[in-house]
Amino acid sequence: GAVVSQHPSWVICKSGTSVKIECRSLDFQATTMFWYRQFPKKSLMLMATSNEGSKATYEQGVEKDKFLINHASLTLSTLTVTSAHPEDSSFYICSARGRGILYEQYFGPGTRLTVT
Amino acid sequence: GIQVEQSPPDLILQEGANSTLRCNFSDSVNNLQWFHQNPWGQLINLFYIPSGTKQNGRLSATTVATERYSLLYISSSQTTDSGVYFCAVEAYKYIFGTGTRLKVLA
Repeated sequence: GAVVSQHPSWVICKSGTSVKIECRSLDFQATTMFWYRQFPKKSLMLMATSNEGSKATYEQGVEKDKFLINHASLTLSTLTVTSAHPEDSSFYICSARGRGILYEQYFGPGTRLTVT
Repeated sequence: GIQVEQSPPDLILQEGANSTLRCNFSDSVNNLQWFHQNPWGQLINLFYIPSGTKQNGRLSATTVATERYSLLYISSSQTTDSGVYFCAVEAYKYIFGTGTRLKVLA
């Protein structure tokens, strides 16, 4: 149980285009979803927290107009990187948290984004 | 904000050896989790342990919340244990530790 999928697993896009990454909780309802960014050989940095049906809370320094987060249902959250630039290239990871015994973070497999 | 430091940063072991990884945090936290990140980037849940001691096979963890640290014990290490181990704490938000990069040699 507590499986989180993420799609796509890797994507290459041209500078100036937008990319959407999907995060789904497959077998539980996620009241909260989190988006992280990880640079090579570094730790994970929290970008934003989203609760179902409400606006995401972005961490300091994360541009909300560049990284659009939508948490439309209890099983789906999306991250859209708008007008991507090479400096947006990174490993993006989502996690989901449920209720009760599922009140811990479960992570998706990550999406490797390369902007050329 | 809360600082989360892990030690050691790097560790090389021979297969079969035991090890202890440490996570220190600078303020009170509500939750604490340990994860293993495999070479493909997937984070695998090891323990949800805001306090107390838990064991799962060759792994065990202890969190002493009043002293602001947690320990992860790996016994009889195997090559498949290689990867990066992270602790993450939740106070006003989730903060990941600096990580311990473990390599187990056959």
